[in-house]
Amino acid sequence: EAGVTQFPSHSVIEKGQTVTLRCDPISGHDNLYWYRRVMGKEIKFLLHFVKESKQDESGMPNNRFLAERTGGTYSTLKVQPAELEDSGVYFCASSRDREETQYFGPGTRLLVL
Amino acid sequence: DQQVKQNSPSLSVQEGRISILNCDYTNSMFDYFLWYKKYPAEGPTFLISISSIKDKNEDGRFTVFLNKSAKHLSLHIVPSQPGDSAVYFCAAITSGSRLTFGEGTQLTVNP
Repeated sequence: EAGVTQFPSHSVIEKGQTVTLRCDPISGHDNLYWYRRVMGKEIKFLLHFVKESKQDESGMPNNRFLAERTGGTYSTLKVQPAELEDSGVYFCASSRDREETQYFGPGTRLLVL
Repeated sequence: DQQVKQNSPSLSVQEGRISILNCDYTNSMFDYFLWYKKYPAEGPTFLISISSIKDKNEDGRFTVFLNKSAKHLSLHIVPSQPGDSAVYFCAAITSGSRLTFGEGTQLTVNP
């Protein structure tokens, strides 16, 4: 069974540009989560999808961040326009049920210059 | 307001000895606790968990202890091996299913 995959693995962009991160969850996992780790701090929750619906987006920092999961399969997280403080590692995780273990992808390392 | 805290950013132990990683939390609504292990350039990997109705869970070399009255949990690794060197994250969860993480502890096991 393939794990959670994320693309790209690294992204370096300039302030004001747009970046789109992609996450492919484990097949059959209805629950998809986005998390972010900034400057070696704790990993923070961003949002949670159940299939294509946003279950909880209370962790999204501001309206420059837009997450979608059309069709309930892969998800994208767009940052537009990117700011310096958006730099960090963005993790995606998935689980079959809400009560089950969340499996994480390798992360996308975003650097905004 | 950080609800899960790992006060030790790093820990160094000798191979074969016990590693004890600590975690404190403030939210009494947390009902499930997990430990994740993370190697560089990889995502966190689930290690072991414990429900709030238990005080101990053991899986091979790994044991997690929960002290609800003190809002404290710990991860014991015995015997420690060089391959255990990684960042260990404590995480907590409520019925809402979002994970709340601590800042992580870098464990180094010296041969």
